[in-house]
Amino acid sequence: QKEVEQDPGPLSVPEGAIVSLNCTYSNSAFQYFMWYRQYSRKGPELLMYTYSSGNKEDGRFTAQVDKSSKYISLFIRDSQPSDSATYLCAMSEPDKLIFGTGTRLQVFP
Amino acid sequence: SAVISQKPSRDICQRGTSLTIQCQVDSQVTMMFWYRQQPGQSLTLIATANQGSEATYESGFVIDKFPISRPNLTFSTLTVSNMSPEDSSIYLCSVRPSGRGNEQYFGPGTRLTVT
Repeated sequence: QKEVEQDPGPLSVPEGAIVSLNCTYSNSAFQYFMWYRQYSRKGPELLMYTYSSGNKEDGRFTAQVDKSSKYISLFIRDSQPSDSATYLCAMSEPDKLIFGTGTRLQVFP
Repeated sequence: SAVISQKPSRDICQRGTSLTIQCQVDSQVTMMFWYRQQPGQSLTLIATANQGSEATYESGFVIDKFPISRPNLTFSTLTVSNMSPEDSSIYLCSVRPSGRGNEQYFGPGTRLTVT
């Protein structure tokens, strides 16, 4: 069993939809949770960073962490074609980041 | 955040040769990391490169194959030695700026193809 599981998609949605991206994990010691966005042929870009459980909102993006269920989510409201990218979840104990395989999102006009 | 550049952005190399990838950061950082991203797979940490100490390698990666230098707080190199087609991948450096908790920022990557 992988430490971090993420559905690879692709997930295809119409512009304006609410997108839900999710990861599950097995290591209860993870404390830091991140979401990265990666456009084709670019490096990952840090979108959201959360410590421990709870919600964090930044513009159209909301990150949720449920440590009791070992489940994290990223919600994108009013999705735009420019949101089309691969979204990677990542988590860590203090140091080493463990990544999911990424979910490819396509937002069509 | 930090601005990170990598050179080269891509390269095609022959089996048995070596390639050195450079990573430059616009600010001083203590912790730098090198990752590999293979198609359809997660980003995998190769090693942690801290200035003033030997790089720390993850399981499955060895110094003879992936020697790393970290001469100062803004620069690092990763060499992929004696390459085989299995080394074809994207190689990424990342940094963890001081005072930013556990946030990590990535460079644009180096796309390596070994023929």
